Amino acid sequence: DGGITQSPKYLFRKEGQNVTLSCEQNLNHDAMYWYRQDPGQGLRLIYYSQIVNDFQKGDIAEGYSVSREKKESFPLTVTSAQKNPTAFYLCASNADSDYGYTFGSGTRLTVV
Amino acid sequence: QKEVEQNSGPLSVPEGAIASLNCTYSDRGSQSFFWYRQYSGKSPELIMFIYSNGDKEDGRFTAQLNKASQYVSLLIRDSQPSDSATYLCAVRAGRRALTFGSGTRLQVQP
Repeated sequence: DGGITQSPKYLFRKEGQNVTLSCEQNLNHDAMYWYRQDPGQGLRLIYYSQIVNDFQKGDIAEGYSVSREKKESFPLTVTSAQKNPTAFYLCASNADSDYGYTFGSGTRLTVV
Repeated sequence: QKEVEQNSGPLSVPEGAIASLNCTYSDRGSQSFFWYRQYSGKSPELIMFIYSNGDKEDGRFTAQLNKASQYVSLLIRDSQPSDSATYLCAVRAGRRALTFGSGTRLQVQP
């Protein structure tokens, strides 16, 4: 079945560590997105990519980095510069700007 | 002012009633509008999308759009306890990424 796979489901980060969240899709979608969700809040855009080897910052890109070397993959690195990284991270994709997103199951990141 | 505003709720309705969820947006260039349902601890799932003024119906769900008033709503008829979730409104202008509201929590009482 086609879909988006995020891993790991749960991730724990120590202070000062960089961690990378994986997002892989087999839907042949061009566009991919990363959002962050804090408890009781909506989704805030971190980064998005509409084509391979190109990506744009969203509203809260500071402390995060991404790459888009393959159409299927859009990993997100949470760097030590992100001072409050504890959140639920959601990856999404879509085929065309006319359509809504397909979401992955999310990664819950906790700082320990 | 937030770009997409929703009442956080909770909105409590009895089973079998109509639940009405509302959303306002600030960008007049917004062209497409989406409603997502999110169960606690899960990722959002798309329920409805609407592009034109008026109503769009899909089963028990009706999306309503009024671009002049910058208002979009979701009606859920014959509400069921399984409809209890947070409902996220999202809007898009052009080819930009979706902008989400903070969601309305719906509770359907058996």
